[in-house]
Amino acid sequence: GAVVSQHPSWVICKSGTSVKIECRSLDFQATTMFWYRQFPKQSLMLMATSNEGSKATYEQGVEKDKFLINHASLTLSTLTVTSAHPEDSSFYICSATTGTSGYGEYFGPGTRLTVT
Amino acid sequence: KQEVTQIPAALSVPEGENLVLNCSFTDSAIYNLQWFRQDPGKGLTSLLLIQSSQREQTSGRLNASLDKSSGRSTLYIAASQPGDSATYLCAVRTGNQFYFGTGTSLTVIP
Repeated sequence: GAVVSQHPSWVICKSGTSVKIECRSLDFQATTMFWYRQFPKQSLMLMATSNEGSKATYEQGVEKDKFLINHASLTLSTLTVTSAHPEDSSFYICSATTGTSGYGEYFGPGTRLTVT
Repeated sequence: KQEVTQIPAALSVPEGENLVLNCSFTDSAIYNLQWFRQDPGKGLTSLLLIQSSQREQTSGRLNASLDKSSGRSTLYIAASQPGDSATYLCAVRTGNQFYFGTGTSLTVIP
């Protein structure tokens, strides 16, 4: 089956620094990738939709200047949390799809970010 | 905007029992619906994918049904086991975007 990887799986950073999270589709080309955030005991919340070669579409309330998304190729999307603060500590999950209507969405294993 | 709701929010059952998790959505114009499992601190594991033209899908002890016109899906788990304890999420795809339910936290007691 389709595999999506994320790197790193776990990261701790100091407040004010930036962190980059990578999301890769390993065996298929992902025209669209999604980034989600999950706070403890809450459901996933969509942050942004990223189509290869174009600017990401951010959900209401998500700061695009703080969460920089780059989808430079059909197999790689990156999320950079800039000037991270403790309230950005969360579980970040990416997913990928080919974009065709019947295709499922494949999820990465997630990245746990802790900002101290 | 699509809204997805799951009932119950939490469920605790003794081992061996059959159980049903419910998912409802407000916009019936969906492409597909997926059921996921999430273990604490882990990413999502896809359990079943139902296309909009399908009524149900089965995998092992799991059976998911879809009634698109009424905006409902159920996940049936037969002969539950302690290893089934996890949070179960349903998600519907509308357009090029998934909308997630609030999840059902399942605990199977040995």
